[in-house]
Amino acid sequence: AQKVTQAQTEISVVEKEDVTLDCVYETRDTTYYLFWYKQPPSGELVFLIRRNSFDEQNEISGRYSWNFQKSTSSFNFTITASQVVDSAVYFCALSEANAGNMLTFGGGTRLMVKP
Amino acid sequence: DVKVTQSSRYLVKRTGEKVFLECVQDMDHENMFWYRQDPGLGLRLIYFSYDVKMKEKGDIPEGYSVSREKKERFSLILESASTNQTSMYLCASSLGDRGRLPPLPSGNTIYFGEGSWLTVV
Repeated sequence: AQKVTQAQTEISVVEKEDVTLDCVYETRDTTYYLFWYKQPPSGELVFLIRRNSFDEQNEISGRYSWNFQKSTSSFNFTITASQVVDSAVYFCALSEANAGNMLTFGGGTRLMVKP
Repeated sequence: DVKVTQSSRYLVKRTGEKVFLECVQDMDHENMFWYRQDPGLGLRLIYFSYDVKMKEKGDIPEGYSVSREKKERFSLILESASTNQTSMYLCASSLGDRGRLPPLPSGNTIYFGEGSWLTVV
């Protein structure tokens, strides 16, 4: 069975600090996809990134970067020089090869960035 | 831009009432989903649909049903609302894997609506 664990339920940082959100997953499949979503106070989930299990390259997009490590089954998300607008709940999610497009979500990490 | 619209943002219903949550997407997506979100539990899949009139149970279908009569619309129905169904409900959609059944994974991005906060009293 697939499972996603976000051990940090809440993180508080001061603006301009770097922060890393952890995500650990479990799956028996060799083909799977990993996602990060951001949920601002408005409620909708905003897609941030998708990574497939065959692509372990790290990715950087502006102040956001992702570190995918199959050896430790982790897909961590780092925000550099955090800003107040980064305050949100962040979800990591997994989609397995035999589960269609269904996502299994972690419990979410609430990030609070204080000015 | 993909738009997934949920008709009601906030609802308050009484125990035993029948509740309809409506969702419409405008990108001709094959797949549509209903999730509920509860603190500490993340999002859990209630039902999904990969085609008109097709539906599959997710992880927590008990107490819910769904309807997909048109491709763009996916309704979640609570036949007899209970207080433990107080939650935030999120609708989502994604492209399917055309011509293949059941839907095989493509890693297609899933787009979410803004959510519907339902309180059952």
